[in-house]
Amino acid sequence: AQKITQTQPGMFVQEKEAVTLDCTYDTSDQSYGLFWYKQPSSGEMIFLIYQGSYDEQNATEGRYSLNFQKARKSANLVISASQLGDSAMYFCAMREVYSNYQLIWGAGTKLIIKP
Amino acid sequence: GAGVSQSPSNKVTEKGKDVELRCDPISGHTALYWYRQSLGQGLEFLIYFQGNSAPDKSGLPSDRFSAERTGGSVSTLTIQRTQQEDSAVYLCASSLRGAATEAFFGQGTRLTVV
Repeated sequence: AQKITQTQPGMFVQEKEAVTLDCTYDTSDQSYGLFWYKQPSSGEMIFLIYQGSYDEQNATEGRYSLNFQKARKSANLVISASQLGDSAMYFCAMREVYSNYQLIWGAGTKLIIKP
Repeated sequence: GAGVSQSPSNKVTEKGKDVELRCDPISGHTALYWYRQSLGQGLEFLIYFQGNSAPDKSGLPSDRFSAERTGGSVSTLTIQRTQQEDSAVYLCASSLRGAATEAFFGQGTRLTVV
């Protein structure tokens, strides 16, 4: 079974619109962390945002926010006021305590921002 | 340096040759990961080192792949008798132990087997 599921292989969004990238996860751990990374065409992996399983507030970092719905095991990334530079691959990842903190990755979503 | 360093950045090798890829993690990071990323694909887990624990090698695709981490720091990924399907970008990442810390990635090594 997939531990991290990103159901959107690709998305097109108009510049300045908000965009939501989906991520669902599967774990029996009570303590875990959820991460989003961005990978532009240049190839580097850029950390965007982190949500801990015990965090009661949704994480926010500038234009990025994480819509954490624990009961639904959902950790969607929301990008507000999208920009052309947001075009990239976006990966959701999870780290579980019982797996010795190994990172588990989704397949990614390719986001293209249209001018 | 301040970040994760990988070398070489690019490597072209002939089919059947052995290659070594190096990763120098951030100082003090106990966790080190190797991933493989084929063109347009997601990250494929290869191997994970955590401190002095036995590494998780469950992602290595064949016995031609091996990795070691010396002194809890630098890691070397070795691919023996390379095949064309080994062509990919090999990414290394390191992190502090713990669920609340992100992994920092190197720039990757682009391996091309001709």
